[in-house]
Amino acid sequence: GESVGLHLPTLSVQEGDNSIINCAYSNSASDYFIWYKQESGKGPQFIIDIRSNMDKRQGQRVTVLLNKTVKHLSLQIAATQPGDSAVYFCAEIAYGMRFGAGTRLTVKP
Amino acid sequence: DAGVIQSPRHEVTEMGQEVTLRCKPISGHDYLFWYRQTMMRGLELLIYFNNNVPIDDSGMPEDRFSAKMPNASFSTLKIQPSEPRDSAVYFCASSSTGLGQPQHFGDGTRLSIL
Repeated sequence: GESVGLHLPTLSVQEGDNSIINCAYSNSASDYFIWYKQESGKGPQFIIDIRSNMDKRQGQRVTVLLNKTVKHLSLQIAATQPGDSAVYFCAEIAYGMRFGAGTRLTVKP
Repeated sequence: DAGVIQSPRHEVTEMGQEVTLRCKPISGHDYLFWYRQTMMRGLELLIYFNNNVPIDDSGMPEDRFSAKMPNASFSTLKIQPSEPRDSAVYFCASSSTGLGQPQHFGDGTRLSIL
């Protein structure tokens, strides 16, 4: 029979545009959040993290926003480049660690 | 510095065979994690160790799976007997301070059970 698997949300952007990737988390007790990037054939790579006592954190070309009221996390990538094409995962940490399903970002040159 | 090193990168074997996956964490990292990634279930934490001691193995799917960490620089994940549904990419990761800090992942072992 037909196999059912995760259908990753996909975001396609033009090179140079800004990208916003969203993540809804489930546990209101989660107090630490991480964004990872995974390229084909590689393991997840840390991008940026944020603790629950913050609502915004900035890195180099990336910003993470945390809205605890609606349990929502977003990753903003400025001036998206072809090298940013990958699957992006959010992870929430409370008493354990749980990963989101991921979003596939495709950057068109 | 070398990152997390996993071996083999690819493994193809027949069902019923024993499979052993290996991991060398980053030197100085006290925490080691084993994950499984599939299209059906995404990325799942199987087990993690602190100072070579298993802390949480609640993600291990069944008794056919076992993990050991005989010393600070080596861990194994063993499946015996293997089944086709165990086919997945298995990742090892390490960190210096547990779940509250980013983890460094290896490039995974792609396991196919025929």
